[in-house]
Amino acid sequence: EDQVTQSPEALRLQEGESSSLNCSYTVSGLRGLFWYRQDPGKGPEFLFTLYSAGEEKEKERLKATLTKKESFLHITAPKPEDSATYLCAVQAGTGGSYIPTFGRGTSLIVHP
Amino acid sequence: NAGVTQTPKFQVLKTGQSMTLQCAQDMNHNSMYWYRQDPGMGLRLIYYSASEGTTDKGEVPNGYNVSRLNKREFSLRLESAAPSQTSVYFCASSAQKGLLKKGYTFGSGTRLTVV
Repeated sequence: EDQVTQSPEALRLQEGESSSLNCSYTVSGLRGLFWYRQDPGKGPEFLFTLYSAGEEKEKERLKATLTKKESFLHITAPKPEDSATYLCAVQAGTGGSYIPTFGRGTSLIVHP
Repeated sequence: NAGVTQTPKFQVLKTGQSMTLQCAQDMNHNSMYWYRQDPGMGLRLIYYSASEGTTDKGEVPNGYNVSRLNKREFSLRLESAAPSQTSVYFCASSAQKGLLKKGYTFGSGTRLTVV
């Protein structure tokens, strides 16, 4: 069974304090790994897709990286507006449905 | 603005009542999905429609039915609501089921309480 585990569950940072969120996965035949941002009371918003180990994607203060077992979402010099829940989802090639499995998310709070 | 529109945004039902959650997308996407999100459980797939005219069960389909009305619209029906169905429901769409270059586009959700 495909598994996606995100850690930590919650993270509190001071403004400017860089850190990383982790998404570890156990799947057969990775097709894609996705990162989303979810603000309170809203639906998830797509951030990045990563396809293969070694790949990196960047957007403003966020950088996503991928290895064969996990992905990291690095947040550099975060600001209060980066506060949100960050979701990871993994799409695998086996099983036929190609429907991504979501992790439970990391709730990030950035204090001014 | 282009995207996924869900109605209603909030709903309170009594146990045993029925209701239909509506979802429409204007991006000409082929695939549409219904998820529920509960604290500590993450997003769980209820049903999906890979293309117009097809629907398939997801991880937690019991107690729900769906209809892909046309390419734009995908509705979720609760025939006899139960307190265990209290949740936030999200509709999502993607250009294709298997190729998710841009991930899913999600609606803003329906917050359902069953008392």
